[in-house]
Amino acid sequence: QKEVEQDPGPLSVPEGAIVSLNCTYSNSAFQYFMWYRQYSRKGPELLMYTYSSGNKEDGRFTAQVDKSSKYISLFIRDSQPSDSATYLCAMSPGGSYIPTFGRGTSLIVHP
Amino acid sequence: SAVISQKPSRDICQRGTSLTIQCQVDSQVTMMFWYRQQPGQSLTLIATANQGSEATYESGFVIDKFPISRPNLTFSTLTVSNMSPEDSSIYLCSVKTSGIRRPYNEQFFGPGTRLTVL
Repeated sequence: QKEVEQDPGPLSVPEGAIVSLNCTYSNSAFQYFMWYRQYSRKGPELLMYTYSSGNKEDGRFTAQVDKSSKYISLFIRDSQPSDSATYLCAMSPGGSYIPTFGRGTSLIVHP
Repeated sequence: SAVISQKPSRDICQRGTSLTIQCQVDSQVTMMFWYRQQPGQSLTLIATANQGSEATYESGFVIDKFPISRPNLTFSTLTVSNMSPEDSSIYLCSVKTSGIRRPYNEQFFGPGTRLTVL
């Protein structure tokens, strides 16, 4: 079993839909949970990070962590074609540690 | 933040040859990281490049295959040696911010080098 599991998709949704992206993990030592966005032919860029359990909101994006279930989610409201990208979850035991990445989920938002 | 550039952006190489990938950062950083991203696979850390010392390699990666140089605090190179088609991948350079006052040290990535080995 991999430390971080993420469905590669692709996930195709119409513009305006609410998107839910998810990851599960097995290492209970993980405390920091990150979401990266990677456009085609670009490097990943950090979208959001969350420490421990709970929710964090940033504009149309909401990150949610449920440590009891070892499950994290990223919600995108009012999705736009410009949101089409690969979304990678990542997690680490501490802020200075090198994170473990999921495989990434390919999201396609069609007009 | 950190802005990272990589050269080349892509290359097509013959089996048995070597390719050196360059990574330049716009600020001085202590640690630089090299990742491999294969289709459908997670980002895999190859090694950590430390200025003034030998690179630290992850399990499954060896210096003879992936020699790394780190001549200063803004530059590093990764060489993919004696290439085979299995080495076809995207190779990414990365740096991590540091500072005890930050709760989380953000990681920045270069645009990647897309390597195809025939």
